[in-house]
Amino acid sequence: DTGVSQNPRHKITKRGQNVTFRCDPISEHNRLYWYRQTLGQGPEFLTYFQNEAQLEKSRLLSDRFSAERPKGSFSTLEIQRTEQGDSAMYLCASSRPNSPLHFGNGTRLTVT
Amino acid sequence: GENVEQHPSTLSVQEGDSAVIKCTYSDSASNYFPWYKQELGKGPQLIIDIRSNVGEKKDQRIAVTLNKTAKHFSLHITETQPEDSAVYFCAAKNTGNQFYFGTGTSLTVIP
Repeated sequence: DTGVSQNPRHKITKRGQNVTFRCDPISEHNRLYWYRQTLGQGPEFLTYFQNEAQLEKSRLLSDRFSAERPKGSFSTLEIQRTEQGDSAMYLCASSRPNSPLHFGNGTRLTVT
Repeated sequence: GENVEQHPSTLSVQEGDSAVIKCTYSDSASNYFPWYKQELGKGPQLIIDIRSNVGEKKDQRIAVTLNKTAKHFSLHITETQPEDSAVYFCAAKNTGNQFYFGTGTSLTVIP
C-alpha cells in the first residue's frame, strides 16, 4: 500500500491558463473521488468514479472542469480558463466499496 | 443532500486534558461516519470510524459515539498530547456513496 499519490504538489498559474492534475489511487481501490478544499473549510465533493465510469458530479463542477479516469487506474482533473476563485487545494481520495476514503496530500493551486 | 455541522471550530486544551468535538447530520439514511485528522500541508488521514449499527467505538485514546435518533456523533480524545494538535473533520456517508464533511475543528494542545 503506497498510498494515494497526487502531482504536482503545487501549481501556480496565471488567470486564463489551463491546468491538469494527476491522481494515482491505491492500486486495489476501484473508487476514486476528487474534492476541493479552501482555507478553513472541509473538503467539498467534486466528482466520483467507480472504475472508469464517472458516476456523479457536483454542481460545483462547472463546464470548465473535466475529470477522466481512463482504464480505471489514474485520474486527471483539468481546469480550463482558470479564474482566481479556482485557487484551492484539490484532494484526491480512493476507496474500496464500503470502506473509508484514503486521501492524497493534494495539489495546491494558486491562480494569479 | 446531506448537511454535516461541526462544533466547535477551534478548541484549546491543556496537555493531558480531554477534547470533545461534536457533529450533527441531516440525512437519516447516512450509515457511516469517519473522522479525519489533517496536519498542515497534508491530506486528511482517517483516525477512527463508526457504522450506524454501532453506538460507540474506542481505539486507545480516541473514541467515537453515535446517537442515530438525535443524528449526532462525537469524537473524544483523552490524555491529549501536543502531537494531537491538528484540524479534525467529521464526515457522513449516505447510501449514494458520497461523503459529506464538516467544516473542521482546529485543536491546539498546550504543553
